[in-house]
Amino acid sequence: GAVVSQHPSWVICKSGTSVKIECRSLDFQATTMFWYRQFPKQSLMLMATSNEGSKATYEQGVEKDKFLINHASLTLSTLTVTSAHPEDSSFYICSARVADRGQHEQYFGPGTRLTVT
Amino acid sequence: GIQVEQSPPDLILQEGANSTLRCNFSDSVNNLQWFHQNPWGQLINLFYIPSGTKQNGRLSATTVATERYSLLYISSSQTTDSGVYFCAVAVTGGGNKLTFGTGTQLKVEL
Repeated sequence: GAVVSQHPSWVICKSGTSVKIECRSLDFQATTMFWYRQFPKQSLMLMATSNEGSKATYEQGVEKDKFLINHASLTLSTLTVTSAHPEDSSFYICSARVADRGQHEQYFGPGTRLTVT
Repeated sequence: GIQVEQSPPDLILQEGANSTLRCNFSDSVNNLQWFHQNPWGQLINLFYIPSGTKQNGRLSATTVATERYSLLYISSSQTTDSGVYFCAVAVTGGGNKLTFGTGTQLKVEL
């Protein structure tokens, strides 16, 4: 149980284009999903919190107009990187929390490796 | 924000050896998780342990919340244990947002 999937697993795009990444909770409902970014040899950094049916909240320094997040259902959140630039190349990972007040554990997707040329 | 530090940053073991990884954090937490990141980047949940002690096979973990640290024990290490180990914590009342530690890079050699 508690499986999170991401699609695509890797993507290469040209500078200036947009890329959409999907995060799905396969066997549980997730009122809250999180998006992280990891650069090579570094730790994970939280980008934003995605709440079903409401606007995402972004961490300081993360451009909300560049990283569009939509959480349209209890099992799907999407991250769209708009007007991508080479510096956006990174490993993007989502996580989901089980919709249970007493449960704080998060489950992570396999990640999406984005390369912007 | 909360500070999360892990030690050691790098560790090389011979197969069969035991090790202890440490995670120190600077505030009260309601979530602490240990992960193993495999070479493909996937984070594998090892333990959800905001307090107390848990064991799962060759791995065990202990969190002493009052003293703000957690330990991950790996016994009889195997080459497949190689990778990066992260702890991550969420501050109590902080919206369940995880802050990741700096990680421990483990290499187990034959």
